[in-house]
Amino acid sequence: NAGVTQTPKFQVLKTGQSMTLQCAQDMNHNSMYWYRQDPGMGLRLIYYSASEGTTDKGEVPNGYNVSRLNKREFSLRLESAAPSQTSVYFCASSEALRGLQYEQYFGPGTRLTVT
Amino acid sequence: GENVEQHPSTLSVQEGDSAVIKCTYSDSASNYFPWYKQELGKGPQLIIDIRSNVGEKKDQRIAVTLNKTAKHFSLHITETQPEDSAVYFCAASRTGGGNKLTFGTGTQLKVEL
Repeated sequence: NAGVTQTPKFQVLKTGQSMTLQCAQDMNHNSMYWYRQDPGMGLRLIYYSASEGTTDKGEVPNGYNVSRLNKREFSLRLESAAPSQTSVYFCASSEALRGLQYEQYFGPGTRLTVT
Repeated sequence: GENVEQHPSTLSVQEGDSAVIKCTYSDSASNYFPWYKQELGKGPQLIIDIRSNVGEKKDQRIAVTLNKTAKHFSLHITETQPEDSAVYFCAASRTGGGNKLTFGTGTQLKVEL
């Protein structure tokens, strides 16, 4: 039982390049989330998927797109990377029963640098 | 939207002392308040959570209190140990809408020997 896995662990991009961050969970959770973490700013929600087939914007969605490929996988795409997107990206998943909130399980993160 | 403020940003205590971290929230509809611990190079991990129908919850050395009227909640760690050194985040959420979490900005706790 690996929990939440993310690839890659590290990535360096040049301004304007594109890339996709991959996330998978093996806990059969309905909900999945993408956050970015910047020094002094905590974790900020980029996009989330409340259930398979749905995606919604979070607090900081500009410059990103997501795909909920199936129940297990939720990817984050940067179409044209900018230095302001240098950050650590975390994927998380949680159960969602009867609308109640449950623990979010986080992956190990992807450290992205855009030069 | 929800806004969560967290204080202090850094906290240094002696081993065996208690540590208290405080958070305030703005959305009166928020009803779920988790606390996460993040060790260096890792993702955050839930340590305790509380729902709005409860005023206090305890798990061994960790306790959380909630004051709905004042819209603030606190994390209490007693008998601190070096392994408690980490960054702690509070968060708030309301039912529905994907159960999104709004996080505080974090507290770097250092437990000194």
